[in-house]
Amino acid sequence: DIVMTQSPDSLAVSLGERATINCRSSQSVLYSSNNKNYLGWYQQKPGQPPKLLIYWASTRGSGVPDRFTGSGSGTDFTLTISSLQPEDVAVYYCQQYYGTPRTFGQGTKLEIK
Amino acid sequence: EVQLVESGGGLVQPGGSLRLSCAASGFTFSNSWMSWVRQAPGQGLEWVANINQDESDKYYADSVKGRFTVSRDNAKISLYLQMNSLRAEDTAVYYCARGHYALDVWGQGTTVTVSS
Repeated sequence: DIVMTQSPDSLAVSLGERATINCRSSQSVLYSSNNKNYLGWYQQKPGQPPKLLIYWASTRGSGVPDRFTGSGSGTDFTLTISSLQPEDVAVYYCQQYYGTPRTFGQGTKLEIK
Repeated sequence: EVQLVESGGGLVQPGGSLRLSCAASGFTFSNSWMSWVRQAPGQGLEWVANINQDESDKYYADSVKGRFTVSRDNAKISLYLQMNSLRAEDTAVYYCARGHYALDVWGQGTTVTVSS
């Protein structure tokens, strides 16, 4: 199984500041035949289901604000929130869909400092 | 509006069975891979199973293989998860979601509690 490891486990950032969450996979999730990274990012607010933020490592989902940016390739990925807003308080998960079983990172809890 | 609505959760004794349903609307269900993901209380997300459009491909997490069965009825626009031999560690909110790769539509979830 591909193990997904996120860092940090929790993060406190001031409003308007940048937040950075990292995700590392135990093996590459880059599919060479199409040069796509099989990696997504999700946001989960308390009491709500997850919401897809980023797919193919860097493509924003429908309606996702452009302050959310996904980057990285191979085994190392980053989710960056450029200017933290109050509504961004949530737990963020990365997920690989390169292999089966699909696996998620343990989650990163983002709070306001 | 694209929507997924789960139902069928509840309290069940260890060793018991439960069947979850997920009703889809607002998109062409028969064209979509579908998935089940669960979340134990206070824990992270765990992928459970997925199924392709015509049920010819089904995949399961090792933790549920041989006990859970995913199925669908495209005529009824519904996804199912038959859960047998339930264990305490199966206690979770169960979400259905659209997708084979990234999961772009999620239901609100249904809660399954396995306890005596």
